[in-house]
Amino acid sequence: DQQVKQNSPSLSVQEGRISILNCDYTNSMFDYFLWYKKYPAEGPTFLISISSIKDKNEDGRFTVFLNKSAKHLSLHIVPSQPGDSAVYFCAASVGQAGTALIFGKGTTLSVSS
Amino acid sequence: DAGVIQSPRHEVTEMGQEVTLRCKPISGHNSLFWYRQTMMRGLELLIYFNNNVPIDDSGMPEDRFSAKMPNASFSTLKIQPSEPRDSAVYFCASRITTGGNQPQHFGDGTRLSIL
Repeated sequence: DQQVKQNSPSLSVQEGRISILNCDYTNSMFDYFLWYKKYPAEGPTFLISISSIKDKNEDGRFTVFLNKSAKHLSLHIVPSQPGDSAVYFCAASVGQAGTALIFGKGTTLSVSS
Repeated sequence: DAGVIQSPRHEVTEMGQEVTLRCKPISGHNSLFWYRQTMMRGLELLIYFNNNVPIDDSGMPEDRFSAKMPNASFSTLKIQPSEPRDSAVYFCASRITTGGNQPQHFGDGTRLSIL
């Protein structure tokens, strides 16, 4: 049973527009959430994170929103750029990022120019 | 700065052979993680170490899999004997546990094919 779900396998967006990637989780014990970006033939690269005590975290073009009551988080990329085209993984853990990360299966984002 | 280094990048071998995957974590990092990525199951944790000590190996699929961390700068994941269903991309990640919620940093993986 998947504890972290990314229900959209793919997303296509035009350059300059907003990309919204979604993630749902089932385990209410999760208290730390991360987004990773992955290019082909490379390892996942950390993008942004959020603790369960917050509902928003922003870093440049990237913002993560957390809705604990809905067990839902989203990653917003504004404006989207062609270089953002990659697979995005949502991950969650109990007790900070030092323990096991549970990953979603990823969403492939394609940004066209 | 050197990131997490994994070797080999690709490994093709016949079933029944022993396979050893290697990982050098980022210098100063004291937690190390082994993950496996497959189409069916996605990215899943196999085992992780804190300060060279295995903490959680519940993700290791079978006794055919073993992992060691003899020192702070080196870890191995061994499969003996290997089977075709072990074909996957294996990632190593490391993290420093001080300074708040530091993320895990991943290597570029080893693509393993068992024929």
